[in-house]
Amino acid sequence: DGGITQSPKYLFRKEGQNVTLSCEQNLNHDAMYWYRQDPGQGLRLIYYSQIVNDFQKGDIAEGYSVSREKKESFPLTVTSAQKNPTAFYLCASSQMSGTGLSTGELFFGEGSRLTVL
Amino acid sequence: GENVEQHPSTLSVQEGDSAVIKCTYSDSASNYFPWYKQELGKGPQLIIDIRSNVGEKKDQRIAVTLNKTAKHFSLHITETQPEDSAVYFCAARRTGRRALTFGSGTRLQVQP
Repeated sequence: DGGITQSPKYLFRKEGQNVTLSCEQNLNHDAMYWYRQDPGQGLRLIYYSQIVNDFQKGDIAEGYSVSREKKESFPLTVTSAQKNPTAFYLCASSQMSGTGLSTGELFFGEGSRLTVL
Repeated sequence: GENVEQHPSTLSVQEGDSAVIKCTYSDSASNYFPWYKQELGKGPQLIIDIRSNVGEKKDQRIAVTLNKTAKHFSLHITETQPEDSAVYFCAARRTGRRALTFGSGTRLQVQP
């Protein structure tokens, strides 16, 4: 079945450690996104990518890094510089129109819950 | 940048009643307004969306209305059922921007 796979589902990290969250999609979508979800704050955009080897910072990029070496993969690294990394992380993808804009619908993975001990 | 406010944060209704969730947006250039439903432990899923050239859209028990002048849009769920219980997010995107800005979410509880 087509979709987005995030792993791991749950992750625990000690303070000062970097951790990488995996996101893979087989929808052949051009655009991929990382959102962070905190209680009562909705979804906030961390990074997004419209094409391989290119990505843009979102609203809360500090302390995070990404790569887009393959169309189907968009891993997110939570670095030790992220001051409050405990959160639920959601990866999404969307198709792009001929004008280079997202056609609309985001398809989300099931999320990764990161807890810093 | 765009700011989307969503109300209420929690909503409890009896099965069969209607539920209304409201959002306001700040950027008058926004032209796309989707609603997502997130069930426990899962990622959000699109349930309905509306573009700025339309004032209302319906899909069975779900409808969305848009008031561009007032910069607000609403989700209406009629004849609610227990399986409608979830967190609902509104979002907005302005022309030329690639990503959505989301509201803070509404937790809807439908009491049987």
